[in-house]
Amino acid sequence: GDSVTQMEGPVTLSEEAFLTINCTYTATGYPSLFWYVQYPGEGLQLLLKATKADDKGSNKGFEATYRKETTSFHLEKGSVQVSDSAVYFCALSDTGTASKLTFGTGTRLQVTL
Amino acid sequence: GAGVSQSPSNKVTEKGKDVELRCDPISGHTALYWYRQSLGQGLEFLIYFQGNSAPDKSGLPSDRFSAERTGGSVSTLTIQRTQQEDSAVYLCASSPRQGLETQYFGPGTRLLVL
Repeated sequence: GDSVTQMEGPVTLSEEAFLTINCTYTATGYPSLFWYVQYPGEGLQLLLKATKADDKGSNKGFEATYRKETTSFHLEKGSVQVSDSAVYFCALSDTGTASKLTFGTGTRLQVTL
Repeated sequence: GAGVSQSPSNKVTEKGKDVELRCDPISGHTALYWYRQSLGQGLEFLIYFQGNSAPDKSGLPSDRFSAERTGGSVSTLTIQRTQQEDSAVYLCASSPRQGLETQYFGPGTRLLVL
């Protein structure tokens, strides 16, 4: 079945550091890939998405490229801010599974001054 | 416009009691999903409604869990004879249609079973 594996946290970075959160997936069809973010005390929000191979999703300085050859969708940001502290979830939606999302376990990011 | 709303925001109940959780999707969204977020299991799919089609119940963990969607809009998730392992945050999401559309999540209902 479908699955998503993402790096365990927590990840602690200083402000302005470079961020990478790794995400790999397995899927039976041709999935769309997503990064969702959950800020403290808030609900899940879509951060970015990519719907086909080689697509790059981007938002708020974050980027992720859909790599079919490595089945990966790593999240990157060149310079993190304290306000980026949150839990980040990688997820996929497979065309064969009625679009329900399969999530990774989440990675907590803490950014310090 | 208004987002997905859920009620109650918090619910404390005793083991063995029944609970009902409510979700109001974004107006006009035909697809509605329930997920559960718990410490042990992470985020997991429970059930999916699309228009008038039969729901996809493949994620429901036991027959104590059921859900309905009335009039293609509001949905209620019911847990009968609650157990302590049912303690979790229950999330509802909606999207404009079936397919690869973005899902918009509500704030969740935090359920604690004592």
